[in-house]
Amino acid sequence: AQTVTQSQPEMSVQEAETVTLSCTYDTSESDYYLFWYKQPPSRQMILVIRQEAYKQQNATENRFSVNFQKAAKSFSLKISDSQLGDAAMYFCAYRSARTYKYIFGTGTRLKVLA
Amino acid sequence: EAGVAQSPRYKIIEKRQSVAFWCNPISGHATLYWYQQILGQGPKLLIQFQNNGVVDDSQLPKDRFSAERLKGVDSTLKIQPAKLEDSAVYLCASSALYRGGAFFGQGTRLTVV
Repeated sequence: AQTVTQSQPEMSVQEAETVTLSCTYDTSESDYYLFWYKQPPSRQMILVIRQEAYKQQNATENRFSVNFQKAAKSFSLKISDSQLGDAAMYFCAYRSARTYKYIFGTGTRLKVLA
Repeated sequence: EAGVAQSPRYKIIEKRQSVAFWCNPISGHATLYWYQQILGQGPKLLIQFQNNGVVDDSQLPKDRFSAERLKGVDSTLKIQPAKLEDSAVYLCASSALYRGGAFFGQGTRLTVV
């Protein structure tokens, strides 16, 4: 069975600084997708960034980028130039390419300090 | 493009009562998911539909929870009878078959008293 682990329950970052959120996963599958979702207090899950396992190049979306280390089964999210609006819960998620089932980590609460 | 719609946003019921949640996914999305999110935890999959067929319901408490997806579009999730531990946010999500991530609705916050 696949598992997703987020070992940082809470992180803080100063506005305009850079922060990295960690995620590790375990799977025996070779084809899968990895995602980072943001959940603000409004509780709607918002897709931040996606990485296909077969792609070696790390995904980037504006201020958000990932460091995907397939052999180490590590998938970290880097947020550059942090903004107050980035404050939220961040969930790492694994999706099987075979079953399309999503498995979520326990989340990291990000606080942005003005 | 319209997002995933869920209703109601909030519901308060007494234990042993029944409740139903409704979800309308993004048009054309074949896969629909219902998740339960207890405060402070990550979402836990309850059931996954592919079109109108069930793909995974291994974590659905079938003695009290039921779900259906009519004509491969809208879906309802029902709890009968509710227990105190069912208090949670119920999230509906949908995704296209091959690409992209899942898109979530705003969720229903259920409080069982």
